[in-house]
Amino acid sequence: EAAVTQSPRSKVAVTGGKVTLSCHQTNNHDYMYWYRQDTGHGLRLIHYSYVADSTEKGDIPDGYKASRPSQENFSLILELASLSQTAVYFCASSDWGSRAEQFFGPGTRLTVL
Amino acid sequence: QQKVQQSPESLIVPEGGMASLNCTSSDRNVDYFWWYRQHSGKSPKMLMSIFSNGEKEEGRFTVHLNKASLHTSLHIRDSQPSDSALYLCAASMNYNQGKLIFGQGTKLSIKP
Repeated sequence: EAAVTQSPRSKVAVTGGKVTLSCHQTNNHDYMYWYRQDTGHGLRLIHYSYVADSTEKGDIPDGYKASRPSQENFSLILELASLSQTAVYFCASSDWGSRAEQFFGPGTRLTVL
Repeated sequence: QQKVQQSPESLIVPEGGMASLNCTSSDRNVDYFWWYRQHSGKSPKMLMSIFSNGEKEEGRFTVHLNKASLHTSLHIRDSQPSDSALYLCAASMNYNQGKLIFGQGTKLSIKP
């Protein structure tokens, strides 16, 4: 049973449009993360959150906002989508601490035209 | 500056052979190293983790860590076609509350 789910699984958006990616976890984890992955490359952290109603900037936050309305849900918002934001987006969750494994969702493939 | 570097970028190994992947961090505050495996079109899945000097073995997979040089390596013996994937090394720092810094990955292809 999938513990981290994402929706939609794929999306085509127009340049300048608004995009919202959603993530839901049933792991009872405090930490949630949003990463982007460009084809064949590693993951880069966009935003993360360790408690509901609070979000933190990751390594590449420009052009993205995040929202954590509850422990289970974490959204990534692109207010003005751009071509450079075409990528696969992964959500993950973990317990607290540097030794806690992160569990990933299936990913959302976003194409901005 | 990339804090986690992986090598090689890509690797081709014959079926039944040994695959060796490398990862180094430039941040002396590394607390834990992680190896994730990502099959094409899928999400990353944690393969092994290590924080103590030495080695750790799980089945065909062995991870080594040298904390003095901040270098870790993953070795896969008796490689199978199903091992073909992108292997991601990540490091968590003792000041980062669980945030992971990923390397660029090594693409491993096992040739039958």
